[in-house]
Amino acid sequence: GAGVSQSPSNKVTEKGKDVELRCDPISGHTALYWYRQSLGQGLEFLIYFQGNSAPDKSGLPSDRFSAERTGGSVSTLTIQRTQQEDSAVYLCASSFARGRNEQFFGPGTRLTVL
Amino acid sequence: DQQVKQNSPSLSVQEGRISILNCDYTNSMFDYFLWYKKYPAEGPTFLISISSIKDKNEDGRFTVFLNKSAKHLSLHIVPSQPGDSAVYFCAASAGNQFYFGTGTSLTVIP
Repeated sequence: GAGVSQSPSNKVTEKGKDVELRCDPISGHTALYWYRQSLGQGLEFLIYFQGNSAPDKSGLPSDRFSAERTGGSVSTLTIQRTQQEDSAVYLCASSFARGRNEQFFGPGTRLTVL
Repeated sequence: DQQVKQNSPSLSVQEGRISILNCDYTNSMFDYFLWYKKYPAEGPTFLISISSIKDKNEDGRFTVFLNKSAKHLSLHIVPSQPGDSAVYFCAASAGNQFYFGTGTSLTVIP
C-alpha cells in the first residue's frame, strides 16, 4: 500500500449519531492533514498533525469535531452528534514534513447525515 | 471568507489547444502556491507548485504563472489532452495551513 488510505469510503448515518473516520497515511510521513469538502465548496482545512507536536486544531468547526493520531501514524476523525450540515467528503492527506511539501491525499470518506 | 478563489467553475477546451485555469487570492502573506488535479471518487493529486520568489514554473505541458501584485495565479496546459479532463484546485499556503479554491472542472473535447 503505497498511498494514503481512508475508511470507510462511504458512511450514511442518522442525525445525532457519532461517527469515526480513519486515515492511514503513507509510511514515514510525519505530517497529516484533515480537510472536508462540502457540496460546491473548496477543501476546508480542519486539523493538522506534525510529529509529536500539539496539533493545529484551528480549522475544526465546532467542539463536536475531534481528531487524534496514535503513534504518529493512523489518525481518527470523530464527529459527535452529527448534523445534516456535516455531510461532506472528508479527505486526509499526509506529507514528509510541514510546510512546503507535496501533500498526498487519500480517496476520501463521503459522509451523509440523514 | 474564501481566501483563494477560482471564479470559473468549468472550462471546455478543444484537444491540442491551450487550457488556462485561473485563481485569485486575497492574503498577501501566502508564499507558496500549488495546483492539484482531481478525478471523480479519488483524492486530489499534486500537479505543480510555485514559490512566491518566482513568477513562473514549468513542468512538461504544465506551467504555473504567479503575479504577486495582482494576487493572481494561473495554470497553463498545452497541448491539452482528453486525459486532462478533471477538476483542478489551486491552493495557497503561509505556514502549516493550506487554503484551497472551489475548483474548476476542465473538459478537453477530443
